[in-house]
Amino acid sequence: DTEVTQTPKHLVMGMTNKKSLKCEQHMGHRAMYWYKQKAKKPPELMFVYSYEKLSINESVPSRFSPECPNSSLLNLHLHALQPEDSALYLCASSPERWSSGAQIPINEQFFGPGTRLTVL
Amino acid sequence: DAKTTQPNSMESNEEEPVHLPCNHSTISGTDYIHWYRQLPSQGPEYVIHGLTSNVNNRMASLAIAEDRKSSTLILHRATLRDAAVYYCILRDLNDMRFGAGTRLTVKP
Repeated sequence: DTEVTQTPKHLVMGMTNKKSLKCEQHMGHRAMYWYKQKAKKPPELMFVYSYEKLSINESVPSRFSPECPNSSLLNLHLHALQPEDSALYLCASSPERWSSGAQIPINEQFFGPGTRLTVL
Repeated sequence: DAKTTQPNSMESNEEEPVHLPCNHSTISGTDYIHWYRQLPSQGPEYVIHGLTSNVNNRMASLAIAEDRKSSTLILHRATLRDAAVYYCILRDLNDMRFGAGTRLTVKP
């Protein structure tokens, strides 16, 4: 299985709703990522989990709350979102392959198809 | 701050080679150069990466300048399915920040 799956594909929510996005991979990858992509813009990194621990949080507002319950699963909990949060939310994973000596990851990321979120 | 600079758009004819340039003048010694592409309505897809030497794989070739301040992604024979936005990224630790990318149009 070489896929990253994301559910749901589409989500429409009101500003007072609470919802969650789910991402799953079964490739044994130990790094997982959330990105936000607005129309005609590049993906923006939001969060990085490494070995189920949050390692990067790109100053994302607290209305976005990530969770990594196990090495295969990544959630993004949404609460009190604003219309400007409407975007494509992408999940990715990567294996922990390191270059010799430098301890810099040289591993590629595998992306899911994304969840298209609309906040009304 | 953008770490990479790419042309906004490029056009190619089908079956011809395409050279997609990327400038990264502030690259550090530990940055790997990664290329991804994003087809319409899909998540980004890994294409190729390298550190210092030129690299080839089944999808493309990556030519890296000797001073590492620029690189070129080479698609040897463009097909209509290669129409996408191509991103050049400097990869450090778990950080992967996308630049604006180049939108490649392939004409039949």
